[in-house]
Amino acid sequence: GQNIDQPTEMTATEGAIVQINCTYQTSGFNGLFWYQQHAGEAPTFLSYNVLDGLEEKGRFSSFLSRSKGYSYLLLKELQMKDSASYLCAVMDSNYQLIWGAGTKLIIKP
Amino acid sequence: GAVVSQHPSWVICKSGTSVKIECRSLDFQATTMFWYRQFPKQSLMLMATSNEGSKATYEQGVEKDKFLINHASLTLSTLTVTSAHPEDSSFYICSARDGNDHTEAFFGQGTRLTVV
Repeated sequence: GQNIDQPTEMTATEGAIVQINCTYQTSGFNGLFWYQQHAGEAPTFLSYNVLDGLEEKGRFSSFLSRSKGYSYLLLKELQMKDSASYLCAVMDSNYQLIWGAGTKLIIKP
Repeated sequence: GAVVSQHPSWVICKSGTSVKIECRSLDFQATTMFWYRQFPKQSLMLMATSNEGSKATYEQGVEKDKFLINHASLTLSTLTVTSAHPEDSSFYICSARDGNDHTEAFFGQGTRLTVV
């Protein structure tokens, strides 16, 4: 079966760095996505990785290791507005998105 | 990024009535649209995939006669919740993908449906 695992909840301090991990087992692989979702809102796109390595975009970076079925989202210089759920999704061989359950990130002052 | 407009943002309806939700791609042609349902504190659950000009493909456990999907044009897909009941209350989200670009799916704003 297809499976995406990510922690349910994480807590971090404003100004610090946090890493949200995602492991996956899917039928084929056509890329991994990270989305941010604030409560009551639709997800917004953060990153897309299809090749191994680190993609940096401002305060957010995303890493992928296809051989390990592993990705992480790294958030630096955390701000209170970063409190949200972070969704990991993998595009399988049929170009369908398989979603993780999301990681709720709580930022404390 | 591309824009997907979903309407309405929220709706309250009486039990037994039907509600239509629209999803429009504003600046690209969406050959494929996805409809999701999300319960509080849970991830997105794919309900169905709609391809322009053909019947939608429903996920297992989703009643196609209850959740009617019409994707009549390359820029518009609609989801109609028929004979709504309180258990249908949820957050419904559409996303659209440009047929030639698999790198990103663009989401609508979501629709909060409350059935009373």
